[in-house]
Amino acid sequence: KAGVTQTPRYLIKTRGQQVTLSCSPISGHRSVSWYQQTPGQGLQFLFEYFSETQRNKGNFPGRFSGRQFSNSRSEMNVSTLELGDSALYLCASREGRSTDTQYFGPGTRLTVL
Amino acid sequence: QQQVKQSPQSLIVQKGGISIINCAYENTAFDYFPWYQQFPGKGPALLIAIRPDVSEKKEGRFTISFNKSAKQFSLHIMDSQPGDSATYFCAARDYNTDKLIFGTGTRLQVFP
Repeated sequence: KAGVTQTPRYLIKTRGQQVTLSCSPISGHRSVSWYQQTPGQGLQFLFEYFSETQRNKGNFPGRFSGRQFSNSRSEMNVSTLELGDSALYLCASREGRSTDTQYFGPGTRLTVL
Repeated sequence: QQQVKQSPQSLIVQKGGISIINCAYENTAFDYFPWYQQFPGKGPALLIAIRPDVSEKKEGRFTISFNKSAKQFSLHIMDSQPGDSATYFCAARDYNTDKLIFGTGTRLQVFP
């Protein structure tokens, strides 16, 4: 099976712009989670989607949003970008809500100038 | 209470030595403790995981030791190799929220 894929791998934006990141989970996986990784804060949970419904949310402002499609693919959107949003954004998938193991994608490196 | 405290922040070990990374937690609702390995430019990959009903789990050169009463768990890498050089994250899953909480990471460098 192919692993979790994320596009694009690298992105450069300027303050105030918005950005959309995409994640395709492992085939058959219905749960997708998003994380922000920065050197100072480590891996911070953003949100999780299961069967097109957000079932969990981290402590991030409303500028961060996401959605999941019927094929389990997911997108996350960040509006009104700030310099502090520069980070590696990781997507992870798992089979279902009761499954422990999460499989991570390679991430999207977002740089905000 | 949601934190997982990981130490050390960085670790330098000679080839063939033992690498030990420690994590501690407070939340008694944590019920699953995975370790992830991350190479530069890659996403974290699951290395080994343990549940609190066992005190030790071994997979090849990697061992998790778990002390439920002390709320601590650690990763031991035996016979460390240069290819083990990576960042290691411990994590814990809160069964109430089903959220995975990560430690801050340990950068391991193994020198030949």
